[in-house]
Amino acid sequence: SQQGEEDPQALSIQEGENATMNCSYKTSINNLQWYRQNSGRGLVHLILIRSNEREKHSGRLRVTLDTSKKSSSLLITASRAADTASYFCATVSKSNYQLIWGAGTKLIIKP
Amino acid sequence: DTEVTQTPKHLVMGMTNKKSLKCEQHMGHRAMYWYKQKAKKPPELMFVYSYEKLSINESVPSRFSPECPNSSLLNLHLHALQPEDSALYLCASNLVPGQGASGELFFGEGSRLTVL
Repeated sequence: SQQGEEDPQALSIQEGENATMNCSYKTSINNLQWYRQNSGRGLVHLILIRSNEREKHSGRLRVTLDTSKKSSSLLITASRAADTASYFCATVSKSNYQLIWGAGTKLIIKP
Repeated sequence: DTEVTQTPKHLVMGMTNKKSLKCEQHMGHRAMYWYKQKAKKPPELMFVYSYEKLSINESVPSRFSPECPNSSLLNLHLHALQPEDSALYLCASNLVPGQGASGELFFGEGSRLTVL
């Protein structure tokens, strides 16, 4: 499957700061999802935003979606050491409902 | 804790061995997936089962053979693997087929496979 793009590839910040990750994609989408993966573990679904939504919140997470620019961002506020993980965006194609994964952002929170 | 259970967590096998990876979910999901993930890369789709029938095979070599004995179980049979097949193998499920169309995928913790 064609990959979406995420940036940055890696991000290192101090605990308590906010972390922002971006995702760009190429096709028309049904929805966009963000997942977290701790090192060597399975992926955990964080949040889903539909193509007709522009912003969504879940706890310390805020996701935005700009379909005109084919991009999304994930903001984690007041970061904690436990937020250290890789974060992947995944888009669901409107045409065939296939899931297309971004390359991922590795986030490190320094205590 | 994940509701998708994968066994074994770790597996080391030689190139002539035959082994199997197992996945189980009891959430009533009717779509189950096998993904392969290399280090620092996103997961790559291998197979999709919809209502216990193989619906997608992403041109995976025949040394990987999936099986879905019932709606709760998914196996991946391994035979004559190559060292480059070493990876984390992830099982996932969701309520109805269509990958992410119906919402989130639930992933297991994965089976770390090393081929010597």
